[in-house]
Amino acid sequence: GAVVSQHPSRVICKSGTSVKIECRSLDFQATTMFWYRQFPKQSLMLMATSNEGSKATYEQGVEKDKFLINHASLTLSTLTVTSAHPEDSSFYICSARQGHEQYFGPGTRLTVT
Amino acid sequence: AQSVAQPEDQVNVAEGNPLTVKCTYSVSGNPYLFWYVQYPNRGLQFLLKYITGDNLVKGSYGFEAEFNKSQTSFHLKKPSALVSDSALYFCAVRQFSGGYNKLIFGAGTRLAVHP
Repeated sequence: GAVVSQHPSRVICKSGTSVKIECRSLDFQATTMFWYRQFPKQSLMLMATSNEGSKATYEQGVEKDKFLINHASLTLSTLTVTSAHPEDSSFYICSARQGHEQYFGPGTRLTVT
Repeated sequence: AQSVAQPEDQVNVAEGNPLTVKCTYSVSGNPYLFWYVQYPNRGLQFLLKYITGDNLVKGSYGFEAEFNKSQTSFHLKKPSALVSDSALYFCAVRQFSGGYNKLIFGAGTRLAVHP
């Protein structure tokens, strides 16, 4: 089946710094990727839809200037958390669509100290 | 807007017994429904989907789900549970709006299978 990777799997950063998370579709091309955020014991909340070669579409309440998304190629999307704060600590999961199905990455655990 | 509800936070079942994880949906038009499983600190794994066709959908790891239009349900089932099935299960519906489509997830149900 289709494989989606994320890097890094875990990152700890200091408050005020920026962190970049990469999402790659390894064996297929994905014109559309998605970024989700998951709090402990909660569901996935869609943050934004990333379209290759165009601007991302952000969900209501998600700050586009804080969560920068770039989808420069058909196999790579990046999420940059700018000026991170402790409340940004969360599990971030990306997903890439192929046809009717979405394939999910293993997630990135971000801890902001 | 499309939505899904998973009424149970947790389901407990003994190994070898049948299991059911409930999901109801609210959509306009024909629903595209999905089940995913998540193990601790991992991403989601696709189990099965209903787009059209037979109401009984068979998926990975022996799971199946039955699409019931009159009850607007899409319950996940397995005839004989394994301890290794213990995980977090999410029902999802595809939402189409503004030229985009995206998955909307239920709150999740934690399945605990006891030896």
